[in-house]
Amino acid sequence: EIVLTQSPGTLSLSPGERATLSCRASQNVSSSYLAWYQQKPGQAPRLLIYGASSRATGIPDRFSGSGSGTDFTLTISRLEPEDFAVYYCQQYGSSPLTFGGGTKVEIK
Amino acid sequence: EVQLVESGGGVVRPGGSLRLSCAASGFTFDDYGMSWVRQVPGKGLEWVSGINWNGGSTGYADSVKGRFTISRDSAKNSLYLQMNSLRAEDTALYHCARARGYSYGYDAFDIWGQGTMVTVSS
Repeated sequence: EIVLTQSPGTLSLSPGERATLSCRASQNVSSSYLAWYQQKPGQAPRLLIYGASSRATGIPDRFSGSGSGTDFTLTISRLEPEDFAVYYCQQYGSSPLTFGGGTKVEIK
Repeated sequence: EVQLVESGGGVVRPGGSLRLSCAASGFTFDDYGMSWVRQVPGKGLEWVSGINWNGGSTGYADSVKGRFTISRDSAKNSLYLQMNSLRAEDTALYHCARARGYSYGYDAFDIWGQGTMVTVSS
């Protein structure tokens, strides 16, 4: 099983600042089968990034993903008020599919 | 509107059974792999099980293997999760999710339902 470790656990930032979230895998994630999701309280997760760097439909370009192998990053270039949420990475190239523990981006 | 709506959750005693359903609408159900993902309130996401577009391939988390069975019915545009031998640690909100492609793996989940709550308690 591929274990995904997200850091930091909590990121305290102000609107307009840049957010950098990390996801590290215990083994190589094949073909960059890595996704990022955003989840707000009381809502289902929303797909942001798939294939490590491709934005899902309707996702603003302030969200970007990068990385390969075992190290992946989600960057939010300038935080908007609606971006404060929990973010999860997921690998879907190896069964069982696994999620990271999440990073909470909170308002400073 | 593309939509997934789960049902079938409830309170069940340890050792009991429950069958979850997920009704799909607004898209061609047979074109997509599907999965169940659960979440303990306030905690993270855990993939439970997945099934490819025609039901020919399925996968399970180790924590539920041998106890849960995933299936789908194209005539009813529905996904199911039969849960047997339930344990307290199965208590969670269960979401169904659509993969972007034919397989439950090799693609991210682009549509999610709001979930149905399962509580296992004596």
